[in-house]
Amino acid sequence: ILNVEQSPQSLHVQEGDSTNFTCSFPSSNFYALHWYRWETAKSPEALFVMTLNGDEKKKGRISATLNTKEGYSYLYIKGSQPEDSATYLCASTMYNNNDMRFGAGTRLTVKP
Amino acid sequence: DVKVTQSSRYLVKRTGEKVFLECVQDMDHENMFWYRQDPGLGLRLIYFSYDVKMKEKGDIPEGYSVSREKKERFSLILESASTNQTSMYLCASSRRGPYEQYFGPGTRLTVT
Repeated sequence: ILNVEQSPQSLHVQEGDSTNFTCSFPSSNFYALHWYRWETAKSPEALFVMTLNGDEKKKGRISATLNTKEGYSYLYIKGSQPEDSATYLCASTMYNNNDMRFGAGTRLTVKP
Repeated sequence: DVKVTQSSRYLVKRTGEKVFLECVQDMDHENMFWYRQDPGLGLRLIYFSYDVKMKEKGDIPEGYSVSREKKERFSLILESASTNQTSMYLCASSRRGPYEQYFGPGTRLTVT
């Protein structure tokens, strides 16, 4: 079983704060790392897919980095807004596997 | 617009009943997945399928079976529902390889 761990489990920030979360994963046979955003009463939606060591992806105020050698990824949110409130999931795929293993998620609450 | 649909949003069943959860995708994806989501545990993989009639066990297959007779449809079967199978069930699909998964809206199953 692939152990994907995320921290912190939950986070409360004020509107305008910048924040970041961590995802750690086994680095052996690594293939891809995914970040998803899951808003309450909706389905998880993909934010990023990263495959190469040193990859950085950005979408608006959200960005992510990947270190495959040490097995971690960071997700950053700049200037958090209340609409960023959601659970952020990371998931890892191993080489020659079709399945994906998810972490337990970081639940972000942004207070106005 | 890509779409994954699930047969029910809410379902209440009695202990011992046979339960069918249906998932349909319209994206011609090879891979399909069934997860359950419980508080504090994130998404846990029950079964996945990478082709018609093919299936692989995930992390928690006990008490479940699956069927994939057509590429677009993946069914999760609870042979004899038990109260510990009360959960949110999510279906997802993806292309073969390290690609993002597209999720359905989920089925909240309560077994009494």
